[in-house]
Amino acid sequence: QQQVKQSPQSLIVQKGGISIINCAYENTAFDYFPWYQQFPGKGPALLIAIRPDVSEKKEGRFTISFNKSAKQFSLHIMDSQPGDSATYFCAACHSIKAAGNKLTFGGGTRVLVKP
Amino acid sequence: NAGVTQTPKFQVLKTGQSMTLQCAQDMNHNSMYWYRQDPGMGLRLIYYSASEGTTDKGEVPNGYNVSRLNKREFSLRLESAAPSQTSVYFCASSIEVGYTEAFFGQGTRLTVV
Repeated sequence: QQQVKQSPQSLIVQKGGISIINCAYENTAFDYFPWYQQFPGKGPALLIAIRPDVSEKKEGRFTISFNKSAKQFSLHIMDSQPGDSATYFCAACHSIKAAGNKLTFGGGTRVLVKP
Repeated sequence: NAGVTQTPKFQVLKTGQSMTLQCAQDMNHNSMYWYRQDPGMGLRLIYYSASEGTTDKGEVPNGYNVSRLNKREFSLRLESAAPSQTSVYFCASSIEVGYTEAFFGQGTRLTVV
């Protein structure tokens, strides 16, 4: 039973295009939603994160959109570049101390940006 | 700064063998985690340690044990390896709970034959 569902599993986008990855969660106690980026042979690294008190957060070419009522959030990569080719994971956690800040990850999306 | 260091990077085990994966962090973080990564499954939490002296089960703890040796080190032990434990294992750490970033090691690719 996957608490965070991520789609698509893979996508190919042309250089300069927009990559969109969607995630849906079930646990209404989740209150912190990070996105991690992973390059081959490396561990995941934090890309951008959002709290549910805002509907959108933008950092450079990366934007998270959050819909609390629908329990969905998405990552938009604008002006996609070949260097953005990586696997992206959405995640969620319940940030109270007793919960141990345990991240629940989506299944991942492999993004390939063609030059 | 080394961050989170895992050893070994690669390992092949025979079914039934045991081994320990080592993890150390130099960021003075309180919380440490072990995840496994399988295709299409994302990363799944095996065990975590919210602070030195405590450990708790995650989503997939069966077949594993952990030890929080001190604040820096958190090891994962496979007592009797099974082919289903073939995976890439990641150790991570964070300052503590809350809206904090988790830092990951480079992973250990384990194959059980």
